[in-house]
Amino acid sequence: EPEVTQTPSHQVTQMGQEVILRCVPISNHLYFYWYRQILGQKVEFLVSFYNNEISEKSEIFDDQFSVERPDGSNFTLKIRSTKLEDSAMYFCASSGGVLNEKLLFGSGTQLSVL
Amino acid sequence: AQSVTQLDSQVPVFEEAPVELRCNYSSSVSVYLFWYVQYPNQGLQLLLKYLSGSTLVKGINGFEAEFNKSQTSFHLRKPSVHISDTAEYFCAVSPRRGGGGSNYKLTFGKGTLLTVNP
Repeated sequence: EPEVTQTPSHQVTQMGQEVILRCVPISNHLYFYWYRQILGQKVEFLVSFYNNEISEKSEIFDDQFSVERPDGSNFTLKIRSTKLEDSAMYFCASSGGVLNEKLLFGSGTQLSVL
Repeated sequence: AQSVTQLDSQVPVFEEAPVELRCNYSSSVSVYLFWYVQYPNQGLQLLLKYLSGSTLVKGINGFEAEFNKSQTSFHLRKPSVHISDTAEYFCAVSPRRGGGGSNYKLTFGKGTLLTVNP
């Protein structure tokens, strides 16, 4: 089965630094998502992206966050100035343009902000 | 808005025993329902989903779940578990959307850690 690929698997950064998390969704999928899971808490929706624009975002997804699909294959999440509370596992996911297709997740990037 | 409650944070069972992981949800709109599994140091893998049709859904690895609309439940079951089923299991819901695409916005439960002992 095709996979959603995320890099890096672990990212350590200093508070206030910018980070970019990268994802390669399934090639023929049209909807792209970022979720995060803070240690010990629920997996939370951050943002969905369709047709080169944000289609929906949660209240967590403030001005410090941005997403981009710079080419036909990558989907990135940028955090401009990281805070300690941004430490979490970040999951990328994608789903197809056909009704009832699966939502597939990547293995995640563990972000640690020091 | 939607919410998901997984009633058990941990479920220990012995190998070859049956197991049921409970999930209840609340939503003001119709929803799709999902179960995902997360093995240690891995991502979220789809076990099964309910979109429409038969309320009994069969998934991978011998798991099945039944959608009960009146009880707003979507419990996950397996008749005989293996050591390899040890993992965290997440129930999730997404509001039904119009249009022709698969546009999901998942709300997850807190997860249930299933531990299968020999």
